[in-house]
Amino acid sequence: GAVVSQHPSRVICKSGTSVKIECRSLDFQATTMFWYRQFPKQSLMLMATSNEGSKATYEQGVEKDKFLINHASLTLSTLTVTSAHPEDSSFYICSAPRGGGRYEQYFGPGTRLTVT
Amino acid sequence: AQSVSQHNHHVILSEAASLELGCNYSYGGTVNLFWYVQYPGQHLQLLLKYFSGDPLVKGIKGFEAEFIKSKFSFNLRKPSVQWSDTAEYFCAVNADFGNEKLTFGTGTRLTIIP
Repeated sequence: GAVVSQHPSRVICKSGTSVKIECRSLDFQATTMFWYRQFPKQSLMLMATSNEGSKATYEQGVEKDKFLINHASLTLSTLTVTSAHPEDSSFYICSAPRGGGRYEQYFGPGTRLTVT
Repeated sequence: AQSVSQHNHHVILSEAASLELGCNYSYGGTVNLFWYVQYPGQHLQLLLKYFSGDPLVKGIKGFEAEFIKSKFSFNLRKPSVQWSDTAEYFCAVNADFGNEKLTFGTGTRLTIIP
């Protein structure tokens, strides 16, 4: 069964509004979670690393003020797209590594964001 | 920084054909290698992974991959594909120094014709 969940699965919002996406690890704790963005028919691009108890680490070119990440607990990370614009429309996916050492990452089902 | 390239963007095969999807990475150090699959409408799932040891790794659903260090390659193979293998396949790399970040290739769309 799914070990990482995301909510919502789909969201449509108006330009200028903010949207929050939740990522939860269901039966394990994750001090680190990852947020990806996937454009149609393209690969996953890592946006940021969410760290429990500390600031997120953003990849080059990702605006930290636009994509706010909060790792509120050991099982929850949230991504807030602030002042969304149509170009932010995309598929956002989170993942969480499970287990220590040489881990396996589990991916959430993704959230389809459409900004109108 | 590491990078991953998948040369085949779209592969179309008939059922029972043999499959090989290419994956090359660039990184000078020790790496962990993965193949993920994304079936239509579903989330990414791990097919197989290589950390160390036998360079030929077997995964789920009859897939296998071979790590060739000298070629920086980790090609995915299946001797006889099925219609249900239609999906997007992603190769991914993680540099083995404790950072858990994955770098993905651009993906290969596999279409199996019944």
